[in-house]
Amino acid sequence: QQQVKQSPQSLIVQKGGISIINCAYENTAFDYFPWYQQFPGKGPALLIAIRPDVSEKKEGRFTISFNKSAKQFSLHIMDSQPGDSATYFCAASMRGNTPLVFGKGTRLSVIA
Amino acid sequence: EADIYQIPRYLVIGTGKKITLECSQTMGHDKMYWYQQDPGMELHLIHYSYGVNSTEKGDLSSESTVSRIRTEHFPLTLESARPSHTSQYLCASQSAYGYTFGSGTRLTVV
Repeated sequence: QQQVKQSPQSLIVQKGGISIINCAYENTAFDYFPWYQQFPGKGPALLIAIRPDVSEKKEGRFTISFNKSAKQFSLHIMDSQPGDSATYFCAASMRGNTPLVFGKGTRLSVIA
Repeated sequence: EADIYQIPRYLVIGTGKKITLECSQTMGHDKMYWYQQDPGMELHLIHYSYGVNSTEKGDLSSESTVSRIRTEHFPLTLESARPSHTSQYLCASQSAYGYTFGSGTRLTVV
């Protein structure tokens, strides 16, 4: 049973456009929701994270939107650039000693 | 800057060989993880540790073992490598700010 469902599996966006990746979860005990960015040949790197006490968090061109009642959160990349082309993973975890649960990833391609 | 090191970066090995993938971190983090990932694909948790002498198996059934004798060191051992073990192995450590991943070991078993 997949605890964090991520969509779409792949995404192609024009340069300057908005990239949107969605994740949904079932476990209401989750209280930390990070996004990781992975370039080919590298390990994933933390991009941005949110806790459920806020509905939105913005860092530069990257924004997480969080909907607690719908148990959904999404990553928005504004003014997408070719350098944003990577695989993005959403994740969730609970307080205490439990590992992050990752989504299956979204492969983003930003084309000029 | 936080650093986590994985050695080797690439490894080609014959079926039946015993191998150890090294993972070290200089940040003093108690929590460390091993993931298996085919390139650009889903991350599968295979082992984790929350401190010295503490190890747990993850979600993915794997014929591998880990040890945690020192905080900074979390090696992964395959007793008998098989072609099905061909994959990328990622090590990570955790701080209050999230996971820091190494660059991975790309393992090919022939």
